[in-house]
Amino acid sequence: NAGVTQTPKFRILKIGQSMTLQCTQDMNHNYMYWYRQDPGMGLKLIYYSVGAGITDKGEVPNGYNVSRSTTEDFPLRLELAAPSQTSVYFCASLWGASDTQYFGPGTRLTVL
Amino acid sequence: QKEVEQNSGPLSVPEGAIASLNCTYSDRGSQSFFWYRQYSGKSPELIMSIYSNGDKEDGRFTAQLNKASQYVSLLIRDSQPSDSATYLCAVTGTGTASKLTFGTGTRLQVTL
Repeated sequence: NAGVTQTPKFRILKIGQSMTLQCTQDMNHNYMYWYRQDPGMGLKLIYYSVGAGITDKGEVPNGYNVSRSTTEDFPLRLELAAPSQTSVYFCASLWGASDTQYFGPGTRLTVL
Repeated sequence: QKEVEQNSGPLSVPEGAIASLNCTYSDRGSQSFFWYRQYSGKSPELIMSIYSNGDKEDGRFTAQLNKASQYVSLLIRDSQPSDSATYLCAVTGTGTASKLTFGTGTRLQVTL
């Protein structure tokens, strides 16, 4: 099992550009999450999903969108990138009967 | 606003000593409590979970929970240089979907 994979690892965007951060898990987990982590800070929840077709906002959803068309994939879309979205983005997944979230390796995004 | 508070550190302990990491949380409805370890530039890794008052031991790690005081701690015995990392406290509330609220983390340095 590859676990949780994220692409790309690094990306530099210009202000106003858009991009999609990819997240895939091969553990058949029903729950998936997107977090952002600013330097020296903890993780903040952006969006989460409890299953295919079901998504909901977390603590800091503004400027982002998600979709969950399959169990495996949970892409995060940034529209009109802003410098405030410079951060490290982590995707995580969890099987509903467990309590262990498995994290992907992260995507480091810089918006200039 | 649910909050999880941690001292950012750095907490410096000599090799072989006990490291004590503390965390307080504001939501009395919090049900599950976690300690994650995060090495620089890496994703968080779950090291301990605790759900009921008291102590829970796993190898060199002991988690302690006091719901009345809204306090969680992590003790690391026989600290090793490889324990040098940032330790994130996280809690889940009364809602579904196992959403985590993270503290900002405590940086631990184990010195030779």
